[in-house]
Amino acid sequence: GDSVTQMEGPVTLSEEAFLTINCTYTATGYPSLFWYVQYPGEGLQLLLKATKADDKGSNKGFEATYRKETTSFHLEKGSVQVSDSAVYFCALPEQGAQKLVFGQGTRLTINP
Amino acid sequence: GAVVSQHPSWVICKSGTSVKIECRSLDFQATTMFWYRQFPKQSLMLMATSNEGSKATYEQGVEKDKFLINHASLTLSTLTVTSAHPEDSSFYICSASPSGRAEQFFGPGTRLTVL
Repeated sequence: GDSVTQMEGPVTLSEEAFLTINCTYTATGYPSLFWYVQYPGEGLQLLLKATKADDKGSNKGFEATYRKETTSFHLEKGSVQVSDSAVYFCALPEQGAQKLVFGQGTRLTINP
Repeated sequence: GAVVSQHPSWVICKSGTSVKIECRSLDFQATTMFWYRQFPKQSLMLMATSNEGSKATYEQGVEKDKFLINHASLTLSTLTVTSAHPEDSSFYICSASPSGRAEQFFGPGTRLTVL
Protein backbone atom coordinates (compact mmCIF):
# COMPACT_ATOMS: atom_id res chain seq x y z
CA GLY A 1 0.00 0.00 0.00
CA ASP A 2 0.86 3.66 -0.04
CA SER A 3 3.46 4.77 2.49
CA VAL A 4 5.60 7.72 3.50
CA THR A 5 9.04 7.56 5.09
CA GLN A 6 10.67 10.55 6.75
CA MET A 7 14.16 10.98 8.07
CA GLU A 8 14.61 10.05 11.69
CA GLY A 9 14.58 12.84 14.17
CA PRO A 10 15.05 14.73 16.28
CA VAL A 11 16.96 17.29 14.29
CA THR A 12 18.73 20.11 16.11
CA LEU A 13 20.21 23.08 14.26
CA SER A 14 21.50 26.52 15.01
CA GLU A 15 19.65 29.59 13.84
CA GLU A 16 20.35 30.54 10.19
CA ALA A 17 21.47 27.00 9.33
CA PHE A 18 20.29 25.24 6.18
CA LEU A 19 17.55 22.67 6.70
CA THR A 20 16.70 19.51 4.82
CA ILE A 21 14.13 16.99 6.01
CA ASN A 22 13.98 13.98 3.73
CA CYS A 23 10.70 12.42 2.66
CA THR A 24 10.26 9.50 0.27
CA TYR A 25 7.04 7.83 -0.66
CA THR A 26 5.54 4.71 -2.20
CA ALA A 27 2.30 5.24 -4.06
CA THR A 28 0.19 4.09 -6.96
CA GLY A 29 0.06 6.79 -9.58
CA TYR A 30 1.08 10.36 -8.87
CA PRO A 31 -0.75 11.66 -5.84
CA SER A 32 -0.55 15.16 -4.43
CA LEU A 33 2.12 15.54 -1.76
CA PHE A 34 1.94 17.65 1.39
CA TRP A 35 4.08 18.95 4.21
CA TYR A 36 2.32 19.76 7.46
CA VAL A 37 3.80 21.49 10.50
CA GLN A 38 2.70 21.03 14.11
CA TYR A 39 3.76 23.59 16.69
CA PRO A 40 3.74 22.53 20.36
CA GLY A 41 0.25 21.97 21.71
CA GLU A 42 -1.46 22.71 18.43
CA GLY A 43 -3.05 20.92 15.51
CA LEU A 44 -1.39 20.52 12.13
CA GLN A 45 -1.08 23.32 9.61
CA LEU A 46 -0.66 22.76 5.90
CA LEU A 47 2.77 24.16 5.13
CA LEU A 48 2.99 23.51 1.40
CA LYS A 49 1.85 21.14 -1.28
CA ALA A 50 2.62 19.96 -4.80
CA THR A 51 0.07 18.35 -7.07
CA LYS A 52 2.16 16.93 -9.90
CA ALA A 53 5.67 15.89 -10.82
CA ASP A 54 8.29 18.67 -10.86
CA ASP A 55 5.96 21.05 -9.03
CA LYS A 56 7.64 23.08 -6.31
CA GLY A 57 5.59 23.99 -3.28
CA SER A 58 6.75 26.92 -1.19
CA ASN A 59 5.63 28.85 1.86
CA LYS A 60 7.30 30.84 4.67
CA GLY A 61 10.74 30.25 3.13
CA PHE A 62 10.23 26.48 2.97
CA GLU A 63 10.34 24.63 -0.34
CA ALA A 64 9.80 21.09 -1.56
CA THR A 65 9.93 19.70 -5.09
CA TYR A 66 7.88 16.72 -6.27
CA ARG A 67 10.46 14.31 -7.74
CA LYS A 68 8.82 11.29 -9.32
CA GLU A 69 12.11 9.77 -10.49
CA THR A 70 13.33 9.49 -6.90
CA THR A 71 9.83 9.37 -5.33
CA SER A 72 10.87 12.13 -2.98
CA PHE A 73 9.51 15.39 -1.59
CA HIS A 74 12.30 16.74 0.59
CA LEU A 75 11.62 19.85 2.66
CA GLU A 76 14.24 22.60 2.59
CA LYS A 77 14.79 26.02 4.05
CA GLY A 78 17.82 28.18 3.50
CA SER A 79 18.00 29.87 6.89
CA VAL A 80 15.99 28.54 9.81
CA GLN A 81 14.72 30.55 12.74
CA VAL A 82 13.97 29.61 16.34
CA SER A 83 10.26 29.95 15.49
CA ASP A 84 10.59 27.06 13.01
CA SER A 85 10.96 24.64 15.91
CA ALA A 86 8.09 22.18 15.45
CA VAL A 87 7.27 18.71 14.20
CA TYR A 88 7.05 18.31 10.43
CA PHE A 89 4.95 15.66 8.70
CA CYS A 90 5.10 14.56 5.09
CA ALA A 91 1.81 13.14 3.76
CA LEU A 92 -0.07 11.95 0.72
CA PRO A 93 -3.68 10.88 0.05
CA GLU A 94 -4.13 7.13 0.09
CA GLN A 95 -5.04 5.65 -3.29
CA GLY A 96 -8.76 5.04 -3.53
CA ALA A 97 -9.47 6.48 -0.10
CA GLN A 98 -10.12 9.86 1.40
CA LYS A 99 -7.59 9.58 4.18
CA LEU A 100 -4.02 10.81 4.33
CA VAL A 101 -0.99 8.64 4.86
CA PHE A 102 1.52 10.38 7.16
CA GLY A 103 5.18 9.93 7.76
CA GLN A 104 6.25 9.43 11.35
CA GLY A 105 7.08 13.11 11.79
CA THR A 106 10.41 14.84 12.29
CA ARG A 107 10.94 16.95 15.37
CA LEU A 108 13.01 20.04 14.62
CA THR A 109 14.63 22.20 17.28
CA ILE A 110 16.38 25.43 16.36
CA ASN A 111 18.75 26.90 18.92
CA PRO A 112 19.52 30.64 19.02
CA GLY B 1 -9.53 30.48 4.23
CA ALA B 2 -10.00 26.80 5.18
CA VAL B 3 -10.26 27.28 8.93
CA VAL B 4 -11.29 24.46 11.23
CA SER B 5 -12.17 25.00 14.87
CA GLN B 6 -12.47 22.58 17.75
CA HIS B 7 -14.22 22.95 21.05
CA PRO B 8 -13.27 22.60 23.79
CA SER B 9 -9.52 23.07 23.54
CA TRP B 10 -9.06 21.12 26.74
CA VAL B 11 -11.27 19.17 29.09
CA ILE B 12 -10.78 17.36 32.37
CA CYS B 13 -13.40 14.85 33.41
CA LYS B 14 -13.98 12.08 35.90
CA SER B 15 -13.73 8.45 34.94
CA GLY B 16 -17.05 7.09 33.70
CA THR B 17 -18.37 10.34 32.29
CA SER B 18 -18.88 11.13 28.61
CA VAL B 19 -17.20 13.97 26.78
CA LYS B 20 -18.27 15.58 23.50
CA ILE B 21 -15.81 17.35 21.22
CA GLU B 22 -17.02 19.54 18.37
CA CYS B 23 -15.26 20.14 15.07
CA ARG B 24 -16.42 22.90 12.74
CA SER B 25 -15.32 24.03 9.32
CA LEU B 26 -15.75 27.80 9.52
CA ASP B 27 -15.44 28.98 5.93
CA PHE B 28 -16.05 25.95 3.77
CA GLN B 29 -18.32 22.96 3.53
CA ALA B 30 -16.82 19.61 4.37
CA THR B 31 -18.51 16.46 3.22
CA THR B 32 -15.71 14.53 4.91
CA MET B 33 -14.16 15.06 8.32
CA PHE B 34 -11.57 12.98 10.12
CA TRP B 35 -10.82 12.28 13.74
CA TYR B 36 -7.32 11.55 14.96
CA ARG B 37 -5.71 10.70 18.22
CA GLN B 38 -2.15 11.65 19.06
CA PHE B 39 0.01 10.37 21.88
CA PRO B 40 2.97 12.43 23.13
CA LYS B 41 5.81 12.64 20.64
CA GLN B 42 4.06 10.35 18.19
CA SER B 43 2.42 10.72 14.82
CA LEU B 44 -1.32 10.98 14.34
CA MET B 45 -3.47 7.88 14.50
CA LEU B 46 -6.59 8.05 12.35
CA MET B 47 -9.59 6.92 14.35
CA ALA B 48 -12.42 7.37 11.87
CA THR B 49 -13.60 9.05 8.70
CA SER B 50 -16.88 10.88 9.01
CA ASN B 51 -19.11 11.57 6.00
CA GLU B 52 -22.01 13.98 6.26
CA GLY B 53 -25.32 12.20 6.57
CA SER B 54 -23.90 8.69 6.84
CA LYS B 55 -22.23 6.45 9.37
CA ALA B 56 -18.59 6.98 10.15
CA THR B 57 -15.97 4.52 8.96
CA TYR B 58 -13.80 3.43 11.85
CA GLU B 59 -10.22 2.24 11.59
CA GLN B 60 -9.32 -1.21 12.75
CA GLY B 61 -9.09 -1.46 16.49
CA VAL B 62 -11.17 1.64 17.23
CA GLU B 63 -14.31 0.89 19.22
CA LYS B 64 -17.25 2.56 17.51
CA ASP B 65 -19.43 2.27 20.62
CA LYS B 66 -16.72 3.97 22.66
CA PHE B 67 -16.04 6.79 20.24
CA LEU B 68 -19.34 7.99 18.82
CA ILE B 69 -19.12 10.19 15.76
CA ASN B 70 -21.91 12.29 14.34
CA HIS B 71 -21.62 14.39 11.17
CA ALA B 72 -24.99 16.05 11.04
CA SER B 73 -24.16 18.94 8.75
CA LEU B 74 -21.59 20.02 6.19
CA THR B 75 -19.80 22.14 8.79
CA LEU B 76 -20.05 20.15 12.02
CA SER B 77 -18.84 16.79 13.26
CA THR B 78 -18.81 15.66 16.86
CA LEU B 79 -16.82 13.00 18.68
CA THR B 80 -18.24 11.68 21.94
CA VAL B 81 -15.96 9.65 24.17
CA THR B 82 -18.39 7.53 26.16
CA SER B 83 -17.66 6.28 29.67
CA ALA B 84 -14.20 7.78 29.55
CA HIS B 85 -11.33 6.15 31.41
CA PRO B 86 -7.80 7.35 32.12
CA GLU B 87 -6.44 5.42 29.14
CA ASP B 88 -8.61 7.61 26.89
CA SER B 89 -6.58 10.64 27.93
CA SER B 90 -4.99 11.98 24.80
CA PHE B 91 -4.84 14.80 22.27
CA TYR B 92 -7.73 14.53 19.82
CA ILE B 93 -7.51 16.37 16.51
CA CYS B 94 -10.10 16.71 13.79
CA SER B 95 -9.62 17.68 10.17
CA ALA B 96 -11.83 18.47 7.23
CA SER B 97 -11.48 18.33 3.46
CA PRO B 98 -13.21 20.81 1.18
CA SER B 99 -15.17 19.02 -1.49
CA GLY B 100 -12.98 17.81 -4.35
CA ARG B 101 -9.69 18.55 -2.61
CA ALA B 102 -7.19 16.03 -1.30
CA GLU B 103 -5.61 18.10 1.47
CA GLN B 104 -7.03 18.22 4.94
CA PHE B 105 -7.26 21.24 7.19
CA PHE B 106 -6.82 20.58 10.86
CA GLY B 107 -8.40 21.91 14.00
CA PRO B 108 -6.24 23.07 16.91
CA GLY B 109 -6.86 19.90 18.89
CA THR B 110 -8.55 19.00 22.18
CA ARG B 111 -6.55 17.78 25.15
CA LEU B 112 -8.64 15.29 27.13
CA THR B 113 -7.60 14.30 30.63
CA VAL B 114 -9.62 11.65 32.41
CA LEU B 115 -9.05 11.44 36.15
